Amino acid sequence: SQTIHQWPATLVQPVGSPLSLECTVEGTSNPNLYWYRQAAGRGLQLLFYSVGIGQISSEVPQNLSASRPQDRQFILSSKKLLLSDSGFYLCAWNRDGVYEQYFGPGTRLTVT
Amino acid sequence: GQNIDQPTEMTATEGAIVQINCTYQTSGFNGLFWYQQHAGEAPTFLSYNVLDGLEEKGRFSSFLSRSKGYSYLLLKELQMKDSASYLCAVAAGTALIFGKGTTLSVSS
Repeated sequence: SQTIHQWPATLVQPVGSPLSLECTVEGTSNPNLYWYRQAAGRGLQLLFYSVGIGQISSEVPQNLSASRPQDRQFILSSKKLLLSDSGFYLCAWNRDGVYEQYFGPGTRLTVT
Repeated sequence: GQNIDQPTEMTATEGAIVQINCTYQTSGFNGLFWYQQHAGEAPTFLSYNVLDGLEEKGRFSSFLSRSKGYSYLLLKELQMKDSASYLCAVAAGTALIFGKGTTLSVSS
């Protein structure tokens, strides 16, 4: 069976500090991978998606970036966090051609 | 543009039936999803409709009308554990477009 992991589970970071969130998927190969952010009172906002190693599509221009160094690894980064980056970050995956997405447990980020 | 609307909050009592509506306007449509999200947790899949009509799965049913850009999620025999946010999402292109979610509170 497939599982998706995210870490850390919670993170408190000062404004201006860097960020690195990691997501890995087990039990499948060549998944599509997604990063979403859910801010308080708002819906799930798609940030990035990837259909393969090194292939990243950005949906929202901002100070975040994503990378996919390995087939089942997806990383969300920032060089300098803003207060507005606070939120619940969710990684998700699906198989190519199948629309249903499966979500990881999420990382709750608080920027102070 | 892409727009998905659903009510922000709903309340109901244990044992009752509740219907959560979702209307959408998207460029492209490859199906409509409903997810359940308990507070502080990740969304979990509930249902998927790609053709018009009703899909039933236990206490939960989901309906789709593509011509009207409309869907609803029907929850029967409500239980306290059904208190959660319910997210409507449209598959358009590569990704899912999510509504803001409906927070359902079930009271005894």
